[in-house]
Amino acid sequence: EAQVTQNPRYLITVTGKKLTVTCSQNMNHEYMSWYRQDPGLGLRQIYYSMNVEVTDKGDVPEGYKVSRKEKRNFPLILESPSPNQTSLYFCASSPLGQGNQPQHFGDGTRLSIL
Amino acid sequence: AQSVTQPDIHITVSEGASLELRCNYSYGATPYLFWYVQSPGQGLQLLLKYFSGDTLVQGIKGFEAEFKRSQSSFNLRKPSVHWSDAAEYFCAVGHTGTASKLTFGTGTRLQVTL
Repeated sequence: EAQVTQNPRYLITVTGKKLTVTCSQNMNHEYMSWYRQDPGLGLRQIYYSMNVEVTDKGDVPEGYKVSRKEKRNFPLILESPSPNQTSLYFCASSPLGQGNQPQHFGDGTRLSIL
Repeated sequence: AQSVTQPDIHITVSEGASLELRCNYSYGATPYLFWYVQSPGQGLQLLLKYFSGDTLVQGIKGFEAEFKRSQSSFNLRKPSVHWSDAAEYFCAVGHTGTASKLTFGTGTRLQVTL
């Protein structure tokens, strides 16, 4: 079954404690991206990756890092989380092609930073 | 910069009634346009997309959307709504260049009454 898998699904943590949200896809997609969803703001792109070792900033990259060492994985790293990063996060993937826009989303990770 | 406006935050329709969700976009060239649906606790599912060609696009679950360049709109329609259609709907516009950037609207929450 085609899947984008995020872990953890829920996390409550404290300010400054480094955390990583993992994202893995089993469809051999080149393109992967991270979004955050906040009430009244829709989804905003954090980072995206066109392929292994190729990443670029989206609209709201401040406070986040990503890496793409393998095609299937695209972890999101919060080096020093702050309360304004409390949000619902989605990973997405798609094959390269028309528009490259995400076709498959994970089920989301709800982060609470206290 | 590209932007998407979904003017209706919340819409309530009766089961069996027709539905139209509005989406207006701002983009310098012919855009890639998308509609996604998000059920509670789930990720986003792609309903349909427009890249070029026929301006009336058919999607999954009986949805369709019409691209109207003169009105900068891409409204989503369904002739007869089912209770299971209750969800949040997002319109998005994508770059037609090499950058894989999606800009989402703020969403419309659909409630279906029986």
